[in-house]
Amino acid sequence: GQNIDQPTEMTATEGAIVQINCTYQTSGFNGLFWYQQHAGEAPTFLSYNVLDGLEEKGRFSSFLSRSKGYSYLLLKELQMKDSASYLCAVMDSNYQLIWGAGTKLIIKP
Amino acid sequence: GAVVSQHPSWVICKSGTSVKIECRSLDFQATTMFWYRQFPKQSLMLMATSNEGSKATYEQGVEKDKFLINHASLTLSTLTVTSAHPEDSSFYICSARGGRADYEQYFGPGTRLTVT
Repeated sequence: GQNIDQPTEMTATEGAIVQINCTYQTSGFNGLFWYQQHAGEAPTFLSYNVLDGLEEKGRFSSFLSRSKGYSYLLLKELQMKDSASYLCAVMDSNYQLIWGAGTKLIIKP
Repeated sequence: GAVVSQHPSWVICKSGTSVKIECRSLDFQATTMFWYRQFPKQSLMLMATSNEGSKATYEQGVEKDKFLINHASLTLSTLTVTSAHPEDSSFYICSARGGRADYEQYFGPGTRLTVT
């Protein structure tokens, strides 16, 4: 079957760095996405990785290793507004997104 | 660019009635639209995928006669929850593909449905 695993919840301090991991097993691979979702709102796109390596976009970076079925989202200089759920999703061979359950990130001052 | 709107943003209805939710791509043509449901503290659950002009493909366990999806144009898809029950209360989110990046899905803001 298809499976996306990510931690349920993480806590970090304002100004610090946090890494959210995601491992996946899917039928086919056409890219991995990270989305941010604030409570009561729809997800917003953060990043897309289809090749191995690190993609940096401001305070957020995303890494992919296809051979290991592994990705992480790195958030630097954490701000209180970064408190949200972070969803990892993989596009399978049918171009359908398979979603992880999300990681709730709590930022403390 | 690549904005998706949903209407209404929230709705309360009585058990047994039907509710229609609209999803529009405002500045691009959405070749494919997706409907998701999300219960509190749970991940997104794909309900169905629709391509313009063709019947929607429903995920296993989703009743197609209860959740009617129409994708009549490249900018509009509708989800009608028929004979709603309290267990249908959820956050319904649509997304659309077909913008500047073929791989990306653009999400609408969601519709919170409460059935009393």
